[in-house]
Amino acid sequence: VQLVESGGGLVQPGRSLRLSCAASGFTFGHYAMHWVRQPPGKGLEWVSGLGGGSGPMVYADSVKGRFTISRDNAKSSLFLQMNSLRPEDTGFYYCAKDRGGLVDTGMLELWGQGALVTVSS
Amino acid sequence: QSALTQPASVSGSPGQSITISCTGTSSDVGSYNLVSWYQQNPGKAPKVVIYEVIKRPSGVSNRFSGSKSGDTASLTISGLQAEDEADYYCCSYAHTGTYVFGTGTKVTVL
Repeated sequence: VQLVESGGGLVQPGRSLRLSCAASGFTFGHYAMHWVRQPPGKGLEWVSGLGGGSGPMVYADSVKGRFTISRDNAKSSLFLQMNSLRPEDTGFYYCAKDRGGLVDTGMLELWGQGALVTVSS
Repeated sequence: QSALTQPASVSGSPGQSITISCTGTSSDVGSYNLVSWYQQNPGKAPKVVIYEVIKRPSGVSNRFSGSKSGDTASLTISGLQAEDEADYYCCSYAHTGTYVFGTGTKVTVL
């Protein structure tokens, strides 16, 4: 049972980046999924969540209108499309599995190892 | 949504008990029994140690316990061990349908 993020890297302010999270070892479509980020040396910030049936989508105010969460249950994959990136978006981005099918169970029971996104000119 | 408030650091000697507080508002901690706690070791992903205020996931030591009173949740680690030294974060579901994490607490075993 694991989650593996990919797609991180260095990007200029204002540009876009798409993160992916490949899941294995569980029935992906049955569970809500989340993205959580952490600037280097700082605390955790919840970014977005998506129910197992691809709804509902919820976002933190800090990324609403710029980031889009989506999933492909057939490919056991979660995505985060990040547009209009800002330096303050820099950090490790973790995908996390919810313990249930909706985003309101309050427990992130499995985390990936994280992908580093650096927004800088 | 503002971050939940945690003490920056807490320390204790091996065998002692320590408690980490997590203060929110009536819009998050105070309204939902959906507070969870995460342990994070340096360079590693977080790991859940408490969920739904008081529940312990399978495999987590019973030395970890949680509680809540009003807008403040707490994590207690009893019989402190060297392996407990890590950063700890609380997290609460909020009325906006989102989640908010705490500011984080560094636990040091003296």
